[in-house]
Amino acid sequence: SQTIHQWPATLVQPVGSPLSLECTVEGTSNPNLYWYRQAAGRGLQLLFYSVGIGQISSEVPQNLSASRPQDRQFILSSKKLLLSDSGFYLCASRTAGASDTQYFGPGTRLTVL
Amino acid sequence: QKEVEQDPGPLSVPEGAIVSLNCTYSNSAFQYFMWYRQYSRKGPELLMYTYSSGNKEDGRFTAQVDKSSKYISLFIRDSQPSDSATYLCAMSGGDSSYKLIFGSGTRLLVRP
Repeated sequence: SQTIHQWPATLVQPVGSPLSLECTVEGTSNPNLYWYRQAAGRGLQLLFYSVGIGQISSEVPQNLSASRPQDRQFILSSKKLLLSDSGFYLCASRTAGASDTQYFGPGTRLTVL
Repeated sequence: QKEVEQDPGPLSVPEGAIVSLNCTYSNSAFQYFMWYRQYSRKGPELLMYTYSSGNKEDGRFTAQVDKSSKYISLFIRDSQPSDSATYLCAMSGGDSSYKLIFGSGTRLLVRP
């Protein structure tokens, strides 16, 4: 089965600072990868997904960007954080060609002050 | 109208009760249905996965899909305090085959 790693686990950043969150996946090849944000008490908002290296689809216009430099590595970035970027960021992986099931990482809790 | 509707709760039940969690959806193209459990400050964990209509059982958990009514359910038998968590339904199919559409989650509290 797949294992998804995310780091850091928690992060406190000032407004206007840059951001880099990393996700790596074990146990599968050529996965579809996803970044979600979950605000407190809210559902999951899909931010980006990728079906292959260098292929990124954005779901919502925002202050964030994503990159996939390697098959099992997915990075979420920002040049200048906003207060509204605070939230719980989750990386998920789906084995391409298999069921639509996604497996989630442990998440990164980001607080922007 | 949201594609997937889920009552946010909280739902509070005594230990040992049978719990029923539900979602309704509007997109008739959905074919894959999942239930995730999310403990506080943790990532969602896949509980049940069902393709198309019917029932699926796994231990104390039973997932039901009624495509004619666009309604899915998760039943938890003999509920335990450790079942206290937020339960998210998710589904996919049709134009959104790469993506899961999530409900907003139902918070469940099982009282000892």
